[in-house]
Amino acid sequence: GAVVSQHPSRVICKSGTSVKIECRSLDFQATTMFWYRQFPKKSLMLMATSNEGSKATYEQGVEKDKFLINHASLTLSTLTVTSAHPEDSSFYICSAIYRGGIVNEAFFGQGTRLTVV
Amino acid sequence: AQSVSQHNHHVILSEAASLELGCNYSYGGTVNLFWYVQYPGQHLQLLLKYFSGDPLVKGIKGFEAEFIKSKFSFNLRKPSVQWSDTAEYFCAVNDGGGYNKLIFGAGTRLAVHP
Repeated sequence: GAVVSQHPSRVICKSGTSVKIECRSLDFQATTMFWYRQFPKKSLMLMATSNEGSKATYEQGVEKDKFLINHASLTLSTLTVTSAHPEDSSFYICSAIYRGGIVNEAFFGQGTRLTVV
Repeated sequence: AQSVSQHNHHVILSEAASLELGCNYSYGGTVNLFWYVQYPGQHLQLLLKYFSGDPLVKGIKGFEAEFIKSKFSFNLRKPSVQWSDTAEYFCAVNDGGGYNKLIFGAGTRLAVHP
């Protein structure tokens, strides 16, 4: 199946700094990617839809100036957590839509655990 | 807004026991339904999906799920679990746009003891 790679898998940063997380579709082109956030013992919460070549669409309550999304190519979307604070510590997961075959399918990255100290 | 409810947050079973994980969703229109599994340290993987047709869908690794429209449910079942089924299971729904915006349930952590 299609592969989505997220990097880094784990990052620790100081409060006030920015962190960039990359999501790559390795063997297919993805015009649409999604970014999710997962809190401990809770569900995946959709943060935003990343569209290649255009602005991301953010879900209600997600600060677009805080979580910058750039989908510069058909295989790469980045999420930058700006001026990170401890409350931004979480597990971030991306997914990419593979538009091949009869139906579309979402493939997920392995996630990035962000810890802000 | 759509929402997905998974009733069991943590399930513990012995090998060979039967499994049923509940999933209910709230959306009145056409929906696509999914079950994903996340093994420890691994990516989310698709177990099975329902788009239309036969409401009983079969997925990988012996899992199946039944879509009951009148109950807004899509419960996951497996007749006999194995230790290797230990994982977290997520039910998800979207509004008929294919594999697009997915709304996830809170997940069920399954532990299977040998």
